[in-house]
Amino acid sequence: TQLLEQSPQFLSIQEGENLTVYCNSSSVFSSLQWYRQEPGEGPVLLVTVVTGGEVKKLKRLTFQFGDARKDSSLHITAAQPGDTGLYLCAGAWIYNQGGKLIFGQGTELSVKP
Amino acid sequence: DTGVSQDPRHKITKRGQNVTFRCDPISEHNRLYWYRQTLGQGPEFLTYFQNEAQLEKSRLLSDRFSAERPKGSFSTLEIQRTEQGDSAMYLCASSPPLIAGERPEQYFGPGTRLTVT
Repeated sequence: TQLLEQSPQFLSIQEGENLTVYCNSSSVFSSLQWYRQEPGEGPVLLVTVVTGGEVKKLKRLTFQFGDARKDSSLHITAAQPGDTGLYLCAGAWIYNQGGKLIFGQGTELSVKP
Repeated sequence: DTGVSQDPRHKITKRGQNVTFRCDPISEHNRLYWYRQTLGQGPEFLTYFQNEAQLEKSRLLSDRFSAERPKGSFSTLEIQRTEQGDSAMYLCASSPPLIAGERPEQYFGPGTRLTVT
C-alpha cells in the first residue's frame, strides 16, 4: 500500500496547456517536498511546504499544501517542453522520524511542442 | 559550492559479487540519507545518519547491506553477494541541521545506477 498516492501517473500534453498533479495521503506530514527528476539523474528539489493551506509559487509552478497537511497539489501554467520529467512528492515527519522522506510513485509528464 | 556527489555513477557487476558506493554530502550537512529507486517508482528510504550515528534502517535493508559514515562526513553503502533484485538506482541525500522556523530540505546526489547480471 502506497502511503502517498500521486495522480495521474502519466500525463502527455501539448505545449501551452495547464495541468495539475495531485499528491494524497491519509497521514499528516510535518512537511511536504516536491522534486523533479530527469532520466539517470537524482531528484532536484523544487519546493518545501510546511504550513497547512500554504501556497508557494515558482514562476509558472504553483504548489499548495492541504489545510490538514495530508495532501498537496502542483499546478503548471502554460507548460513548456522543458517541464518534461518525473515529478515526485515526498512527505516527512521531521521531529520523530529524522526527516526521512516518504515518496509517491511519481507523475511522468511529457510536454510536446 | 558543490552539491551532493556520488561515486561511481554506474556499476555493472555479476551476481554474487560485492559492491561499494560512496556519497559525499554538502559540507556542514549533518544528516545523510540513502534511498533506492527502481524503474517507474519513487525512491524508497534505506537508512540515515546524523553525524556518524546510524539512527534508522529500513526493513528493506537486508543483512547483505551495510552503511557507514565513520567521521560524519562521507558515507559508504556496501552490498554483499549481490542479487539481480538489487539492480536499482541508489540515491544519497543530505540535509543541514534542523533549526526551528527553517524549512527542512534534502538535496540529492546524481545517484549510482547498479546493474547486477
